[in-house]
Amino acid sequence: DGGITQSPKYLFRKEGQNVTLSCEQNLNHDAMYWYRQDPGQGLRLIYYSQIVNDFQKGDIAEGYSVSREKKESFPLTVTSAQKNPTAFYLCASSIVQASSYEQYFGPGTRLTVT
Amino acid sequence: GQQVMQIPQYQHVQEGEDFTTYCNSSTTLSNIQWYKQRPGGHPVFLIQLVKSGEVKKQKRLTFQFGEAKKNSSLHITATQTTDVGTYFCAGRGILTGGGYKLTFGTGTQLKVEL
Repeated sequence: DGGITQSPKYLFRKEGQNVTLSCEQNLNHDAMYWYRQDPGQGLRLIYYSQIVNDFQKGDIAEGYSVSREKKESFPLTVTSAQKNPTAFYLCASSIVQASSYEQYFGPGTRLTVT
Repeated sequence: GQQVMQIPQYQHVQEGEDFTTYCNSSTTLSNIQWYKQRPGGHPVFLIQLVKSGEVKKQKRLTFQFGEAKKNSSLHITATQTTDVGTYFCAGRGILTGGGYKLTFGTGTQLKVEL
């Protein structure tokens, strides 16, 4: 089955620790994205990547880092510099075409930092 | 930067009543997409509108794109309990480079009571 997987579903960390969230897709999509969702708010873009070895900052990139070494994988690291890391993190992917680029989302990782 | 707002933030309806959510962008959009997120789930693509004044229907759901391409609406006729969830609009600004970056609206959470 084609799709996007994120692991783990729930993640708990102590304040001051870096943590890496996994995102893998087998849809052969070129573009991948990371969003953060907080209660009562929409999805805010953290980072996105259109092609391997290239990525751009989204609207709230501070305190986060990413890599895109493989087309299928786009891991997100939440660093200790992120002031409010507790949130629901969603990874998505899409094709890159002018007319159609609906995004397919993974199941998400709920990160709790105490 | 581009901002996309949705109203209302929350809506409680009795089953069988109609529901409408409105989406407004601070800038002209090249197209707009709508997503639905069930409680505890991830966003799922519903539809994309591209043309000024475009209207599309999916069973009980009617989507409209404004003439100025700065606003959109989703109307659900005779709501059912299966319609419960948060509805997001997402648009790409007409002036932004990179055809794959979307700005998501703040979302409207719909609850349907029997």
